Amino acid sequence: QKEVEQDPGPLSVPEGAIVSLNCTYSNSAFQYFMWYRQYSRKGPELLMYTYSSGNKEDGRFTAQVDKSSKYISLFIRDSQPSDSATYLCAMTSTSGTYKYIFGTGTRLKVLA
Amino acid sequence: GAGVSQTPSNKVTEKGKYVELRCDPISGHTALYWYRQSLGQGPEFLIYFQGTGAADDSGLPNDRFFAVRPEGSVSTLKIQRTERGDSAVYLCASSLGDAGAGYEQYFGPGTRLTVT
Repeated sequence: QKEVEQDPGPLSVPEGAIVSLNCTYSNSAFQYFMWYRQYSRKGPELLMYTYSSGNKEDGRFTAQVDKSSKYISLFIRDSQPSDSATYLCAMTSTSGTYKYIFGTGTRLKVLA
Repeated sequence: GAGVSQTPSNKVTEKGKYVELRCDPISGHTALYWYRQSLGQGPEFLIYFQGTGAADDSGLPNDRFFAVRPEGSVSTLKIQRTERGDSAVYLCASSLGDAGAGYEQYFGPGTRLTVT
């Protein structure tokens, strides 16, 4: 079993929809939780960076962390065709080297 | 400011050859990471540098892989006797690496390595 599980999709939604992306994890030592967006043949771009449990909002994006359930989510409001990409969750612990453990990524397609 | 840069963007090599992949981190970032991303997968950790030293190389798959960061800035990932299974996108990331400043990692565009 992988440390971080993420549904690979693809997920297709109409423009303007609310998108919910999720990851589950098994390592209770994880304290930092990140979401990256990756366009085809590009490097991952940091979208959200959160510490421990709670919510964080940035524009159309909201990240939620529920450490008790080992479950994190990214919500995208008013989705746009330009949001079509692969979304990667990543996490790390507060000890050691802070290497990130990634999910497999979810492919999202927003239809105009 | 400038982000993380990686060269070359694409590298095609024959099985058995030696390759070097270069990473230029964000200025002032002391932490540097190498990851490898296979098709349809998330990036997988290879090695971490804090300054000039490799603080964690537990992700290197075998002794054909080696990385250096001699002056604490630019890093080179070296692969000897390349195999077809080494084909992947090699990503570099850098971070301020400080508890107060945060541990966000910023990625470069990657080097797409193809071993024929």
